[in-house]
Amino acid sequence: AQSVTQPDIHITVSEGASLELRCNYSYGATPYLFWYVQSPGQGLQLLLKYFSGDTLVQGIKGFEAEFKRSQSSFNLRKPSVHWSDAAEYFCAVGPPSFGNEKLTFGTGTRLTIIP
Amino acid sequence: DAGVIQSPRHEVTEMGQEVTLRCKPISGHDYLFWYRQTMMRGLELLIYFNNNVPIDDSGMPEDRFSAKMPNASFSTLKIQPSEPRDSAVYFCASSALRGAEAFFGQGTRLTVV
Repeated sequence: AQSVTQPDIHITVSEGASLELRCNYSYGATPYLFWYVQSPGQGLQLLLKYFSGDTLVQGIKGFEAEFKRSQSSFNLRKPSVHWSDAAEYFCAVGPPSFGNEKLTFGTGTRLTIIP
Repeated sequence: DAGVIQSPRHEVTEMGQEVTLRCKPISGHDYLFWYRQTMMRGLELLIYFNNNVPIDDSGMPEDRFSAKMPNASFSTLKIQPSEPRDSAVYFCASSALRGAEAFFGQGTRLTVV
């Protein structure tokens, strides 16, 4: 069964500092990969996605993520965080094959930004 | 498009009452998902539909939960009778393609007292 692990429950970074949120997945093949962000009281918004091709993908709000097949990872990065980036971040995997269209989400990483 | 629309945004009900949550997916999207989010269990998929047909309801916690999609533009999630442990935020999401990104509504915060 597919699974997603986000090992960091909570991360605190200073405004302007760089950020990396970790995501590891377990799947029989290369899945579709996603990062979502959830601001307080809001639904989830897609930041970026990887289906195939270039392993470094760019997303909205200055985020990027790199797919590393050898490490089964899809870590999210941002070179300089802003206070508005404080939110919860979810990594998700989706199936590349028919018959199972479900997305599986990680447990999320809460990001706190300090001045 | 206005995105995925859920109603109500907040619902407070007494234990034992019936609760109905509503969702209007993005027009043209063939997949509709119902999720539940709690602090303890995170984001859980309850059920999803493809072309109005329920495909996988293995995440529905109990028979008290039921979901319907009578047409491509409307879905309901019903809890009857409701219990305090059903308190959570319930999200509806839709997607256009198999495995593609899901677009989420703003959720319904349900409190059962």
